[in-house]
Amino acid sequence: EVQLVQSGAEMKNPGESLKISCKTSGYIFSNYWIGWVRQMPGKGLEWMGIISPPGSDARYGPSFDGQVTISVDKSVNTAYLQWSSLKASDTAMYYCARSGDFIRYFDFWGQGTLVTVSS
Amino acid sequence: DIQMTQSPSSLSASIGDRVTITCRASQNIRSYLNWYQQKPGKAPRLLIYAASTVQSGVPSRFSGSGSGTDYTLTISSLQPEDFATYYCHHSSTTPEAFGPGTKVEI
Repeated sequence: EVQLVQSGAEMKNPGESLKISCKTSGYIFSNYWIGWVRQMPGKGLEWMGIISPPGSDARYGPSFDGQVTISVDKSVNTAYLQWSSLKASDTAMYYCARSGDFIRYFDFWGQGTLVTVSS
Repeated sequence: DIQMTQSPSSLSASIGDRVTITCRASQNIRSYLNWYQQKPGKAPRLLIYAASTVQSGVPSRFSGSGSGTDYTLTISSLQPEDFATYYCHHSSTTPEAFGPGTKVEI
């Protein structure tokens, strides 16, 4: 059974760093990309970026390039999304999702990680 | 970058209605168009990929069509569990992008 299990909710102060995780199982990690999607409170889905399974090719949406870093650790079949300095506007639900390589679509999703940034 | 629009932004419908949602891309996305359903507090669920291929396990009342810049999601007979928000997503090139969503309400 394919599963993407995300790390738990986080409450952070502005300026702090954060790394959230997406642990995958039930499929061959090296055969699929992993994407990250943001959903701000009461808003729609935003494509943040996607990373190849070896981790050598990461691509970002224009609003997120330079603001976050997407990475993978193949040894534990896990993808990560990290911030070096959080802002209040980063408060959102973040989803990871599995995507094919040639024809990309998100067929399996994590349960979401709620990040709250507030002083 | 390719921009996505959806219409309508919301609609009211009744059980048994035929519902059509439209998605438009700012340039040709060569059928690299996917549709998702999201219910409150839940992760999105893939319904349709590559414009018209129904994901395994998705009821046959859902269908997709279109090409070039214009795509459609159709629910042939609306069921109670279909009240949700629907998003299109292009994966033609990076950066990929979602449409703003269509909320289907009673």
